[in-house]
Amino acid sequence: AQSVAQPEDQVNVAEGNPLTVKCTYSVSGNPYLFWYVQYPNRGLQFLLKYITGDNLVKGSYGFEAEFNKSQTSFHLKKPSALVSDSALYFCAVRAPTSGTYKYIFGTGTRLKVLA
Amino acid sequence: DTGVSQNPRHKITKRGQNVTFRCDPISEHNRLYWYRQTLGQGPEFLTYFQNEAQLEKSRLLSDRFSAERPKGSFSTLEIQRTEQGDSAMYLCASSLALGREEKLFFGSGTQLSVL
Repeated sequence: AQSVAQPEDQVNVAEGNPLTVKCTYSVSGNPYLFWYVQYPNRGLQFLLKYITGDNLVKGSYGFEAEFNKSQTSFHLKKPSALVSDSALYFCAVRAPTSGTYKYIFGTGTRLKVLA
Repeated sequence: DTGVSQNPRHKITKRGQNVTFRCDPISEHNRLYWYRQTLGQGPEFLTYFQNEAQLEKSRLLSDRFSAERPKGSFSTLEIQRTEQGDSAMYLCASSLALGREEKLFFGSGTQLSVL
């Protein structure tokens, strides 16, 4: 069965500093990995994904994520955090070789960027 | 692209009553998903459709829950004999999973409160 773990409930970072939000996964075969962001009173929005190819993927709003197969991780990063990045971030996984289009989400990490 | 639309935005009901939610996906999207989210948790998979066919349903989903997608367009999620534990945000998402375009588009959700 596929699963995702986000080990940090909350990450605090000062504005202008680099940020990392951690995600590890468990899936049979090669995973498809995603990051979504949820702002207050708004629906989840897609940020970026890894399907295949380059391990470093770039997405919206200056975010990027690195796929690490040996560590089964897909950490979200941004070189310089903005106060407006404060939101709830979710990692998700799909197992394409399982024949399902079901996506499993992590429990989320709240990012607070302090001015 | 008018986005994924969910109605109603809020629903308050008494324990034991039936409720029905509606989701209108992005028009050309062939896959439609229902998730449930409670405070402090990530979206929990409930079920998904490809066109009008319901391809997978969570084993955690009680028989009180049923979803339909007639004609492969809008979808409804019905909860019969609601319980207080059903109180949650119900999220709908749609996708047109064509290789590298794979991603979910979420609606704003329906917040259910069971008194």
